[in-house]
Amino acid sequence: NAGVTQTPKFQVLKTGQSMTLQCAQDMNHNSMYWYRQDPGMGLRLIYYSASEGTTDKGEVPNGYNVSRLNKREFSLRLESAAPSQTSVYFCASRMGAGVGEQYFGPGTRLTVT
Amino acid sequence: EDQVTQSPEALRLQEGESSSLNCSYTVSGLRGLFWYRQDPGKGPEFLFTLYSAGEEKEKERLKATLTKKESFLHITAPKPEDSATYLCAVQAGDDKIIFGKGTRLHILP
Repeated sequence: NAGVTQTPKFQVLKTGQSMTLQCAQDMNHNSMYWYRQDPGMGLRLIYYSASEGTTDKGEVPNGYNVSRLNKREFSLRLESAAPSQTSVYFCASRMGAGVGEQYFGPGTRLTVT
Repeated sequence: EDQVTQSPEALRLQEGESSSLNCSYTVSGLRGLFWYRQDPGKGPEFLFTLYSAGEEKEKERLKATLTKKESFLHITAPKPEDSATYLCAVQAGDDKIIFGKGTRLHILP
């Protein structure tokens, strides 16, 4: 039982390049989330998927797109990376119905030069 | 506006020196309050869920309590391995989840 896994762990991009961050969970959770964490800003929600087949914008969605590929997988795409997207990205999942805690992946540290 | 505020931002304690971290919130229809621990370079790790005012949860040296406006994470006789950032989050009535910015705790041996 791996929980929430994320790839890659580290990535360096040049401005304008694109990439996809991958996330998978093996807990049969319905809801999945993408956050970014920056010093002094805390965790900020980029996009979430309440259930398979649905996605919604969070607090800071500009410059990102997501795909809920199936119940297990939720990917985050940067189409044209900018230095302001330098951050640590976390994927999380939770059961989805009612009150419930989130389980986080180990994170992806992204630097855009 | 729904908001979660944690204080202090950072706290340094001597080993064995007990203290409390605060999480105050203003949300519409609190459904649950969560505490997480985050070690450097890692994702947040779930600690507790509190559902209603008056509830308490304990785990080793940590005890979380909840009132109608705030939650406290009490740390009793902490050890250096308790050093981490502690995050508080609330689940509002519309199921939105809001995180505080965290308290960085450093326990000196």
